Amino acid sequence: QVQLQESGPGLVKPSQTLSLTCTVSGGSISSGYYWSWIRQPAGKGLEWIGRIQTSGSTDYNPSLKSRVTMSGDTSKNQFSLNLTSVTAADTAVYYCARGVLGIALAGYYYYFDYWGQGALVTVSS
Amino acid sequence: SSELTQDPAVSVALGQTVRITCQGDSLRSFYAGWYQQKPGQAPLLVIYAKNNRPSGIPDRFSGSSSGNTASLTITGAQAEDEADYYCNSRDTSGNLVVFGGGTKLTVL
Repeated sequence: QVQLQESGPGLVKPSQTLSLTCTVSGGSISSGYYWSWIRQPAGKGLEWIGRIQTSGSTDYNPSLKSRVTMSGDTSKNQFSLNLTSVTAADTAVYYCARGVLGIALAGYYYYFDYWGQGALVTVSS
Repeated sequence: SSELTQDPAVSVALGQTVRITCQGDSLRSFYAGWYQQKPGQAPLLVIYAKNNRPSGIPDRFSGSSSGNTASLTITGAQAEDEADYYCNSRDTSGNLVVFGGGTKLTVL
């Protein structure tokens, strides 16, 4: 059973960098999936932040791209998120999740099958 | 703004059938994933690749797709199905991921 666990500071000051790590157990981040970060402000919907592939290739949400960096550490089976210059608008629950891309009879599919429990990050001085 | 559109809220009487829809151009090429989220919990995948259920998801949950619309149907809704439901897909460029705005399901 694959499990993901987010870790990192729960409080970040405005203008500083938010850093989170996702530790994966029960499976390898080198196994060909897409490892994503997703966030959810209180009372709002899900927002995809970006993903890192096994190869190290990354894709980011255009609305956050200038502030986001993701990386992976295969030796620790972890992947990480850095979000710079944070403001109160970045306060949210941050989830890491495993993405699956494939092809079916009449089209492609992409979904997240395993999620971390979520980490609340508050941006406040 | 999301490239996938969902109705903000839907209600269903206990034991009845409800359909939750998700619209977007990317759904012409990509099947939606559907997630159930209860308060204080992480999203849970309930349908993937059009109409596949992960292990442990009741068979009252089903999915379908037509044109630019994906649907999640709950046949015989139970009180425990009351939750927020989100769809996701790739975006129209095929490189990025998008979520619908979510539908709050109330079971009456």
